[in-house]
Amino acid sequence: GENVEQHPSTLSVQEGDSAVIKCTYSDSASNYFPWYKQELGKRPQLIIDIRSNVGEKKDQRIAVTLNKTAKHFSLHITETQPEDSAVYFCAVDTGRRALTFGSGTRLQVQP
Amino acid sequence: DVKVTQSSRYLVKRTGEKVFLECVQDMDHENMFWYRQDPGLGLRLIYFSYDVKMKEKGDIPEGYSVSREKKERFSLILESASTNQTSMYLCATQGAGTEAFFGQGTRLTVV
Repeated sequence: GENVEQHPSTLSVQEGDSAVIKCTYSDSASNYFPWYKQELGKRPQLIIDIRSNVGEKKDQRIAVTLNKTAKHFSLHITETQPEDSAVYFCAVDTGRRALTFGSGTRLQVQP
Repeated sequence: DVKVTQSSRYLVKRTGEKVFLECVQDMDHENMFWYRQDPGLGLRLIYFSYDVKMKEKGDIPEGYSVSREKKERFSLILESASTNQTSMYLCATQGAGTEAFFGQGTRLTVV
């Protein structure tokens, strides 16, 4: 089945800095790549997603890039704020099964 | 507003008990999933269902079973609870190749 690796497991940045989280996957048939944010005690919620026919997508301070050849995609958060502190999960969908998630990154933004 | 509702936020059960976790969605989605969330391991797929009375094993099905008698309801069953099943359980629903919506989670403690 699909294998998704996510790095780093923890990330601490100063407020205003950028944060980058990277994921690699194994199944070349994967075609949908969402990112979820989970705040403490809450359910995961989608923050941005990208499909395989697009290389980059941006939504205000958040962007995702996809390199299908290398089978990796990344989440970029610019001008980080304390409310960005959460656990972030990447996920991969081949369309044949369920979403396969990475192991998560705990982002801490220091004020 | 999307609703995926899990029957309990917190449960404490004894070893050997049969445990039922219920999930109801109002999105009319065919696809429903049960994930288990543990620190450092991300979200791991236990079982999923693409239709009523249909089920497929995920990555960690041992010790669990599921039931989908109606489209909107997907139940996770622990046949004989063990302490290593102490975890956070998340139900989700998803349209084909689109965003997944999660329930609020059930934190199960087996003593």
